[in-house]
Amino acid sequence: KAGVTQTPRYLIKTRGQQVTLSCSPISGHRSVSWYQQTPGQGLQFLFEYFSETQRNKGNFPGRFSGRQFSNSRSEMNVSTLELGDSALYLCASSFLGQGMDTQYFGPGTRLTVL
Amino acid sequence: GESVGLHLPTLSVQEGDNSIINCAYSNSASDYFIWYKQESGKGPQFIIDIRSNMDKRQGQRVTVLLNKTVKHLSLQIAATQPGDSAVYFCAENTNTGNQFYFGTGTSLTVIP
Repeated sequence: KAGVTQTPRYLIKTRGQQVTLSCSPISGHRSVSWYQQTPGQGLQFLFEYFSETQRNKGNFPGRFSGRQFSNSRSEMNVSTLELGDSALYLCASSFLGQGMDTQYFGPGTRLTVL
Repeated sequence: GESVGLHLPTLSVQEGDNSIINCAYSNSASDYFIWYKQESGKGPQFIIDIRSNMDKRQGQRVTVLLNKTVKHLSLQIAATQPGDSAVYFCAENTNTGNQFYFGTGTSLTVIP
């Protein structure tokens, strides 16, 4: 099976712009979670989607949003970019996203905001 | 909120030695744990997991130990190799939860 894929791998944006990141989960996986990773902060949970519905959300401002399509692919959007949004954005998929359901990560999208 | 912490942010070991990476968790309701390895420029890679009804689980060259009494998790890597150099994260979840909580990571450096 192919792993989790994320596109693009690298992005450079300027403050105030918006960005859309894409994630394709492992075939058959219906849960997609998004994380932000910055130096010293570890992985911080953004949100999780299951069956096209946001099921769980972390403590991020409303500028961060996402959606999931019927084929389980997911996108996340960040509007009005700030310098502090520079990070590695990771997507993880799991079969059902419940409790003891292993999450598998993609390679991430490196976002740089100038 | 949840808190998953690592005792040591960095660890250096000689090639061939065993490595032990520790993790403390705060939620006594957590009953599923995963160790991930993240190499530079890559996403976290699943290494091994353990459920709370187990104290120990072994994989290829790796062993995870769970001590629920003191809420402590450890990852042991046998015969550490240069390819093991990476940042290691522990993650926890509850049986009914759909959100993992991650530690800040331990950077392992293997000295040839």
